[in-house]
Amino acid sequence: ETVLTQSPGTLSLSPGERATLSCRASQNVSSTYLAWYQQRPGQAPRLLIYGASIRATDIPDRFSGSGSGTDFTLSVSRLEPEDFALYYCHQYERSRTFGQGTKVGIK
Amino acid sequence: QVKLQQWGAGLLKPSETLSLTCAVYGGTFNDYYWNWIRQPPGEGLEWIAEINHRGSTNYNPSLKSRVTVSVDTSKNQFSLRLKSVTAADTAVYYCARGGAVMAPDSWGQGTLVTVSS
Repeated sequence: ETVLTQSPGTLSLSPGERATLSCRASQNVSSTYLAWYQQRPGQAPRLLIYGASIRATDIPDRFSGSGSGTDFTLSVSRLEPEDFALYYCHQYERSRTFGQGTKVGIK
Repeated sequence: QVKLQQWGAGLLKPSETLSLTCAVYGGTFNDYYWNWIRQPPGEGLEWIAEINHRGSTNYNPSLKSRVTVSVDTSKNQFSLRLKSVTAADTAVYYCARGGAVMAPDSWGQGTLVTVSS
């Protein structure tokens, strides 16, 4: 099983600041098969990024993804109030697994 | 614009069988894999299984012995059955649209299933 480890567990930032979230895989993951989700309280996850760096439909360009191999990053260039949420990485190359999540909270 | 709507029993006793169904409205049912994913209260996401319109399935190895997924293409619906539930199966269960090389991009509203005696 490909284990995804996200860091940090919690990120405390202010609106307008930049957020950088990390996802490390226990074995190589092809960039084609790495995604990021946002989840707000009481809502289903929302696909942000797939193929490691491709924004999903209607996702603002302040969200960007990068990385390859075992190390992937989600960046939010300038945090808006609605961006304070949980974020999960997800690999769909070997079976399907999710990271444990990073909470982006208001400082 | 695809919409997924799910339903099923929300309260079960230990050893019973969880049963959920998800209906797909809009889009092309045959072009995708249809997923079940769950989230225990306050915890992260766990993928359960997926199925396509031909009935081809993939399962999470940790749940495979207890899970059955099925599809009804005449109704554009797919279903999940999880037998012998315990309190550890208490979670919000989501259905979602994905693909063989595609991350789930459309999700149902979620169903909270509580297992309690």
